[in-house]
Amino acid sequence: ETGVTQTPRHLVMGMTNKKSLKCEQHLGHNAMYWYKQSAKKPLELMFVYNFKEQTENNSVPSRFSPECPNSSHLFLHLHTLQPEDSALYLCASSFGLAGVITDTQYFGPGTRLTVL
Amino acid sequence: AQKVTQAQTEISVVEKEDVTLDCVYETRDTTYYLFWYKQPPSGELVFLIRRNSFDEQNEISGRYSWNFQKSTSSFNFTITASQVVDSAVYFCALSEAGIDNQGGKLIFGQGTELSVKP
Repeated sequence: ETGVTQTPRHLVMGMTNKKSLKCEQHLGHNAMYWYKQSAKKPLELMFVYNFKEQTENNSVPSRFSPECPNSSHLFLHLHTLQPEDSALYLCASSFGLAGVITDTQYFGPGTRLTVL
Repeated sequence: AQKVTQAQTEISVVEKEDVTLDCVYETRDTTYYLFWYKQPPSGELVFLIRRNSFDEQNEISGRYSWNFQKSTSSFNFTITASQVVDSAVYFCALSEAGIDNQGGKLIFGQGTELSVKP
């Protein structure tokens, strides 16, 4: 595997379900990101992890819970979602120095989530 | 406040035409980075270019070229002799540097959907 991979690519879930999105990067990066892309809206940054520490939570509802066990893996745990949470969820990674992240972000293919 | 504006929502051209995608940004910082990404129908954002605020040289990569003008806060992207495979949504993005940006924020424009017809 190369670059940034995401699984599953497509997910349909009910509002009472619990599911998880997985992201893995094979680029040797240490910063990882979750973005949400809704139809007709710009990409919204959700969470940032740098060296496994969360450095950004962009006022995301608690029904989205991120987890970063190491610099190569990032998860997004989902529970009691709403239909308006249906979107493309993109993971990205980049190099980052401790405390400063300004390098190019490389994206995965995304998970297309539909909440019924 | 940071902002990126891509005023062109959709552009349609015929193959072999040249097309320019506009990007205007706002920032208070003197050090910042500008990016262009391509998002084909498959969904993945593909990195095209990164430019820092101190480098105003225009760049050419094959059929792609970028015109960075700080005086007008613009970072426009031109595709020469467009091809059907260029059909995608193109995003311009801005990232401010420095310790204030510990979150690694990329501010994206709304995107321009380019359709190249045969």
